[in-house]
Amino acid sequence: DQQVKQNSPSLSVQEGRISILNCDYTNSMFDYFLWYKKYPAEGPTFLISISSIKDKNEDGRFTVFLNKSAKHLSLHIVPSQPGDSAVYFCAATRNFNKFYFGSGTKLNVKP
Amino acid sequence: DAGVIQSPRHEVTEMGQEVTLRCKPISGHNSLFWYRQTMMRGLELLIYFNNNVPIDDSGMPEDRFSAKMPNASFSTLKIQPSEPRDSAVYFCASSLDSLVDTEAFFGQGTRLTVV
Repeated sequence: DQQVKQNSPSLSVQEGRISILNCDYTNSMFDYFLWYKKYPAEGPTFLISISSIKDKNEDGRFTVFLNKSAKHLSLHIVPSQPGDSAVYFCAATRNFNKFYFGSGTKLNVKP
Repeated sequence: DAGVIQSPRHEVTEMGQEVTLRCKPISGHNSLFWYRQTMMRGLELLIYFNNNVPIDDSGMPEDRFSAKMPNASFSTLKIQPSEPRDSAVYFCASSLDSLVDTEAFFGQGTRLTVV
């Protein structure tokens, strides 16, 4: 049973526009959420995170929103750049132990 | 710090052979995770260790898979015998288990192909 789900396997946006990546989870006990970015032939790298006590965290062009009542989080990238083209994984954890990952969304930013 | 180090980067083996994947976590980290990435299921957690002790191996697909962590600086994931459906990229990650914000750091992965 997947506790973290990313229902959009791919997303294509134009350079300069906003990219919105979505993630849903089922376990209300998760207290920390993360986004990772993965380029081909590389391991995932940490991008941005949010604690369950917050509903928004911003870092430069990246903002993560958390809606606990809906068990939903999203990653906004504004403005999108071609170098942002990668697979994005959301992850959730409780007490910083096991990390549960979604299946990923492949973002393609067109020049 | 060199980060999480995995070896080999690529492994091609014949069905039925034993495969051993290796991981060196970041020094000082006390949690280690093995993940498998496939096209169909994305990133799956196979097993995780805390302070060298296996805490949860419920993600290990079957008895052909085994993992060990003999000390804080080394872990192995073994598949015996290997099958074509085991072909995937296997990631090792480590984290510092603490009460402050943290994240897991991933190795570059081992691409396994079983023919």
